[in-house]
Amino acid sequence: DAGVIQSPRHEVTEMGQEVTLRCKPISGHNSLFWYRQTMMRGLELLIYFNNNVPIDDSGMPEDRFSAKMPNASFSTLKIQPSEPRDSAVYFCASSLRGEGTEAFFGQGTRLTVV
Amino acid sequence: AQSVTQLDSQVPVFEEAPVELRCNYSSSVSVYLFWYVQYPNQGLQLLLKYLSGSTLVKGINGFEAEFNKSQTSFHLRKPSVHISDTAEYFCAVTVTTDSWGKLQFGAGTQVVVTP
Repeated sequence: DAGVIQSPRHEVTEMGQEVTLRCKPISGHNSLFWYRQTMMRGLELLIYFNNNVPIDDSGMPEDRFSAKMPNASFSTLKIQPSEPRDSAVYFCASSLRGEGTEAFFGQGTRLTVV
Repeated sequence: AQSVTQLDSQVPVFEEAPVELRCNYSSSVSVYLFWYVQYPNQGLQLLLKYLSGSTLVKGINGFEAEFNKSQTSFHLRKPSVHISDTAEYFCAVTVTTDSWGKLQFGAGTQVVVTP
């Protein structure tokens, strides 16, 4: 398997624009997580899905952020409108639901909002 | 709620020297513990995890960690580091009853290995 695939790897956008980050989890995994990494706050869990259903989005910072998982092989994280403080590395991870299971991370999308 | 404290933000170490990265956690319930590594411009990769059983856990790339319940610690060690071990290391925790697999990460420790 190619692992978790995220696109794009880098995104530079202007403040106010819509940004969509994409993730393809490992085939067969039924849990998907979106994390954000910043120098100030470290790694934060934004939202997670199980069997394509959002379970907990309490980590989503604002209503400007939304995430979807239309099927088992694709998820998106959208920011609309984007702001400079959204600049961060966004990671997608997938796993098989279970206690103590390992999460497999993608390489991340580095977002810069200018 | 759980929390993870990594006591060192950066650890400089010479090649072939030993290294220890400290991790303490706080939780009112039982937890599973993990160490992940992040190489530059990469995602996180699992080094090792403690679920139960022997408190000494061996992982990939020669790393090992010891779970100490009384001290609520899970320190990571390697007896001899290589230049390629330069990376950021994250300690993480999840509640044993959490089947969703949510991870609470520490702030990370940057390891810089020099010749």
